[in-house]
Amino acid sequence: AQSVTQPDARVTVSEGASLQLRCKYSYSGTPYLFWYVQYPRQGLQLLLKYYSGDPVVQGVNGFEAEFIKSNSSFHLRKASVHWSDSAVYFCAVSVKGNYKYVFGAGTRLKVIA
Amino acid sequence: NSKVIQTPRYLVKGQGQKAKMRCIPEKGHPVVFWYQQNKNNEFKFLINFQNQEVLQQIDMTEKRFSAECPSNSPCSLEIQSSEAGDSALYLCASSLWGQSNERLFFGHGTKLSVL
Repeated sequence: AQSVTQPDARVTVSEGASLQLRCKYSYSGTPYLFWYVQYPRQGLQLLLKYYSGDPVVQGVNGFEAEFIKSNSSFHLRKASVHWSDSAVYFCAVSVKGNYKYVFGAGTRLKVIA
Repeated sequence: NSKVIQTPRYLVKGQGQKAKMRCIPEKGHPVVFWYQQNKNNEFKFLINFQNQEVLQQIDMTEKRFSAECPSNSPCSLEIQSSEAGDSALYLCASSLWGQSNERLFFGHGTKLSVL
């Protein structure tokens, strides 16, 4: 069965600092990987996705993620965070032929001055 | 920005009452998903449709939960007899092709509180 683990429930970083949010997954087929962000009182928005090719994928607002198959990881990174990046970030996985996207429990990011 | 419209934004029900929420998917998207997001941000897949047909659903959905996506009408999710444990944010999402590598477009959700 597919599962997604985001080991850090909360992360606090200073504005301008670099960021890494961790995501590990397990699957039984070809994985497709996603990062979504949920701002307060808003729906989830896609940051980036990976399904083939270059394991480093670029997303919106300077976010990127790297698919490391050997480690079953898909960590999200940003070189320099802004206060507006404060939100909850979700990693998700789907498997070819199965439409049940599985989400991690999210990481709440707080950016402080 | 997503154009998945969910109504109402907030829903308050007593235990045993029916709770119904609606979703208008993004225009042209035939695939619709319903998820339950609890207070710990955990997502639970409930059901998905392609056009009016159910693709997949969980056992819970088969009992107290019912859902439909009629043609030319909003999709809906209804809880026949609400329980305290149903209090959650219910998220509707849609996609264009129903492919596993495809992004989902989410609505803002309906926050259900069962008193």
